Amino acid sequence: QKEVEQNSGPLSVPEGAIASLNCTYSDRGSQSFFWYRQYSGKSPELIMSIYSNGDKEDGRFTAQLNKASQYVSLLIRDSQPSDSATYLCAVNKNYGQNFVFGPGTRLSVLP
Amino acid sequence: GAVVSQHPSWVICKSGTSVKIECRSLDFQATTMFWYRQFPKQSLMLMATSNEGSKATYEQGVEKDKFLINHASLTLSTLTVTSAHPEDSSFYICSAIGGASYEQYFGPGTRLTVT
Repeated sequence: QKEVEQNSGPLSVPEGAIASLNCTYSDRGSQSFFWYRQYSGKSPELIMSIYSNGDKEDGRFTAQLNKASQYVSLLIRDSQPSDSATYLCAVNKNYGQNFVFGPGTRLSVLP
Repeated sequence: GAVVSQHPSWVICKSGTSVKIECRSLDFQATTMFWYRQFPKQSLMLMATSNEGSKATYEQGVEKDKFLINHASLTLSTLTVTSAHPEDSSFYICSAIGGASYEQYFGPGTRLTVT
């Protein structure tokens, strides 16, 4: 079992719809969880971090964490073509010293 | 958010030469910096973790004598690719964390082409 798993996609949604991106992790001791966006040919950009169970909202983005199920998700409301990118889930296991990235989910928002 | 710069943004070198890439945290002190490599259409691959003032910790399979990492200050880390070969051609990205949030901020990356 991989440490951090994501569906590779591509996930296609129409413009204006909600995009739902999922991530599961294997280490129950994981402490911090992050979502990054990576455009083709560019480096990753931090979208959100989440540390405790529940939802965290920032603009059109909502991160959801369920530690019991070892599951993190990212919802993008009112998806725009500019949201088309690869979304990386990252999990931190050891106070900033041990990060694991998932393989990423490619999102395509169709105009 | 915090800003991380990398220099150069791209470099072409001949096989057998060495290349140095700089990573700087511009508006915060980075206690830990990471170096990643990414091949086209593939995931990020962590190469090493460096803490200021101590030796870098390399991931399994990464040759520490080939990829020299120096984290000399709280704002600067360097990666030197020694005796580069065409198979070292890749996108090298650094990142840094500097606070209790453990949020990693990435530099813009350096595209290395070895001819």
